[in-house]
Amino acid sequence: KAGVTQTPRYLIKTRGQQVTLSCSPISGHRSVSWYQQTPGQGLQFLFEYFSETQRNKGNFPGRFSGRQFSNSRSEMNVSTLELGDSALYLCASSLERVLIDRELFFGEGSRLTVL
Amino acid sequence: GENVEQHPSTLSVQEGDSAVIKCTYSDSASNYFPWYKQELGKGPQLIIDIRSNVGEKKDQRIAVTLNKTAKHFSLHITETQPEDSAVYFCAASPVFYAGGTSYGKLTFGQGTILTVHP
Repeated sequence: KAGVTQTPRYLIKTRGQQVTLSCSPISGHRSVSWYQQTPGQGLQFLFEYFSETQRNKGNFPGRFSGRQFSNSRSEMNVSTLELGDSALYLCASSLERVLIDRELFFGEGSRLTVL
Repeated sequence: GENVEQHPSTLSVQEGDSAVIKCTYSDSASNYFPWYKQELGKGPQLIIDIRSNVGEKKDQRIAVTLNKTAKHFSLHITETQPEDSAVYFCAASPVFYAGGTSYGKLTFGQGTILTVHP
């Protein structure tokens, strides 16, 4: 069974540009969450989608947005990039059987460098 | 919101020794506490989790204990092996959020770099 797939794995952008990251969850998983990982702030929750609806959002500025498609694939977008947006962006999917299964399966991440 | 503190930030042990990592959380509504292991170049992977109605859970060489009164939980790894070397993260989460259910939001600790020397 394929794991969570994130593309691209590495990318370099300059300040002011925008970027779109893609995530394909494990087949059958309907919940997708996004996290930002940096050495200074650690793992921070960005947002969560379930059945194409944003279910929860972390404390990030409006430049960070996301969406989920009917096939559960998800994208996140960062506009007007800042140097501080350099990070590893992780996507996680979950089967989410209520009160039984809460494991998040993480992808290997998209490493974004902003110059 | 929830705040999770994790200690120590680095831990170095000899192969065969035990390793203990401790976390405290602030939100009494949290009732799910997973531990993730992250190897270099990979995403975090769940190694064990515990829910608030259980005080201890064990899986072979790994165990987690939870003290809800004191709001702390710990990861214990016995008979450590070099392949246990990685970054370990604790996390906490309530089941419900205002407006409904949200299982995908975890508040993570800062991580512990565990090095097991052969």
